[in-house]
Amino acid sequence: KAGVTQTPRYLIKTRGQQVTLSCSPISGHRSVSWYQQTPGQGLQFLFEYFSETQRNKGNFPGRFSGRQFSNSRSEMNVSTLELGDSALYLCASSFWTSGADTQYFGPGTRLTVL
Amino acid sequence: DAKTTQPPSMDCAEGRAANLPCNHSTISGNEYVYWYRQIHSQGPQYIIHGLKNNETNEMASLIITEDRKSSTLILPHATLRDTAVYYCIVTNRDDKIIFGKGTRLHILP
Repeated sequence: KAGVTQTPRYLIKTRGQQVTLSCSPISGHRSVSWYQQTPGQGLQFLFEYFSETQRNKGNFPGRFSGRQFSNSRSEMNVSTLELGDSALYLCASSFWTSGADTQYFGPGTRLTVL
Repeated sequence: DAKTTQPPSMDCAEGRAANLPCNHSTISGNEYVYWYRQIHSQGPQYIIHGLKNNETNEMASLIITEDRKSSTLILPHATLRDTAVYYCIVTNRDDKIIFGKGTRLHILP
C-alpha cells in the first residue's frame, strides 16, 4: 500500500498570505489528523477528521482550519500567515477504531513564512 | 499537557539493548500506550503499542508494569539507524493525541 502523501513538501510564503496544504491518506483509512511541529513547541495536535467531520481540535486560533473530502483526502488552511506559523506540518491517517488505532504519518510539509 | 514523562536524552552503545522508560501514572483503564519515533524531521514512525500485556514485534518489545503506571520500550540490538526521538503516548483514540518532548536516543558506535 502507498503511504500517506503530503503536498507540497516545501512552501515559502510571506506574512499575511494564506496557504492550503494537502494530505492523501492510506487507502482505506478514514481518519486524518494534522500536527504542527516547531523546535520550540514540539509536535502539537491541530485537528482530526473522520468521515468528513471534525472529531477533535487542538488549541490553535481560528486562522487554522481544515476539511476532509468524501474520498478521505484532507486539506488544512492557514489564513493571514504569521512568522510563527513557520513549521513542519504533519498529516497522519488511521483506519480509526475506538481503543487501539495506529497512526501513520506522512513526510510533512515544511512551511516557511517570511 | 502530555500524559507521559520521559527522560530528555539517553545514550546506548551500538549492538546493545536500548531501554527507554516512560511514566504514565494517570493512565486510565481504557488507554493504550503507544510508542513512535521520529528520525531527523521525517514523519513519526509507529513502533508498538499495548494495553496491559507485554508486546513484541519485529522492531521492539514493550514492557508495561502491572499497575500500568510505567512502561519500557526495548530495542534489542540498537544500531546507528535507531538514533531518533522516541515518543511515548497514552491515548484511547477518542481523545486528541498529545505528544510530549520525547527521549532523544543517541546510539554510540
